[in-house]
Amino acid sequence: GEDVEQSLFLSVREGDSSVINCTYTDSSSTYLYWYKQEPGAGLQLLTYIFSNMDMKQDQRLTVLLNKKDKHLSLRIADTQTGDSAIYFCAESNLRQAGTALIFGKGTTLSVSS
Amino acid sequence: KAGVTQTPRYLIKTRGQQVTLSCSPISGHRSVSWYQQTPGQGLQFLFEYFSETQRNKGNFPGRFSGRQFSNSRSEMNVSTLELGDSALYLCASSSGSRARLNYGYTFGSGTRLTVV
Repeated sequence: GEDVEQSLFLSVREGDSSVINCTYTDSSSTYLYWYKQEPGAGLQLLTYIFSNMDMKQDQRLTVLLNKKDKHLSLRIADTQTGDSAIYFCAESNLRQAGTALIFGKGTTLSVSS
Repeated sequence: KAGVTQTPRYLIKTRGQQVTLSCSPISGHRSVSWYQQTPGQGLQFLFEYFSETQRNKGNFPGRFSGRQFSNSRSEMNVSTLELGDSALYLCASSSGSRARLNYGYTFGSGTRLTVV
């Protein structure tokens, strides 16, 4: 079956790097996404990676994908207090006729100054 | 361009009632998906509509239904509400093209449903 797992909490100091980890089980996943959710808000797409890539960098964000271990990580460089939020890892695959995102439970990132 | 609009933002209903939630996708997007978010279960996929047809369905009881109109706007209906239906319901809009999954899904701010 499809399952996405993340650690629930991460606490860092402002200026440090944050690394949020995610594992998934569906080897047919095509795209993997990172979403951010702030209190009272919907989900904001941060970045994505295609399954045939190993790494993607986008400003302060670096996504690493280890397809063999089905492990995905999001690194936030120079973490700021405004980065405090819940981060969701999600996978999407094309096996089904339509599309659906399978989400992890989310990692709450707390940034202290 | 305008984002995904969900109405209403907040709703309080009594057990046994029914409710209809609305979602207007980004202009030009033909796919609308619905997700339920609860503290215990997290984000769970309800269903996806594309060109007025349900293209994919999650594992929810038949009390949860939806539809999509010719202008791509979508509604979700929950009948015979239960206390456990209290959740944030999120709608996501995408082009619907399987070749464009890299564009991701744009989410609305959600409708917070409370069942009392």
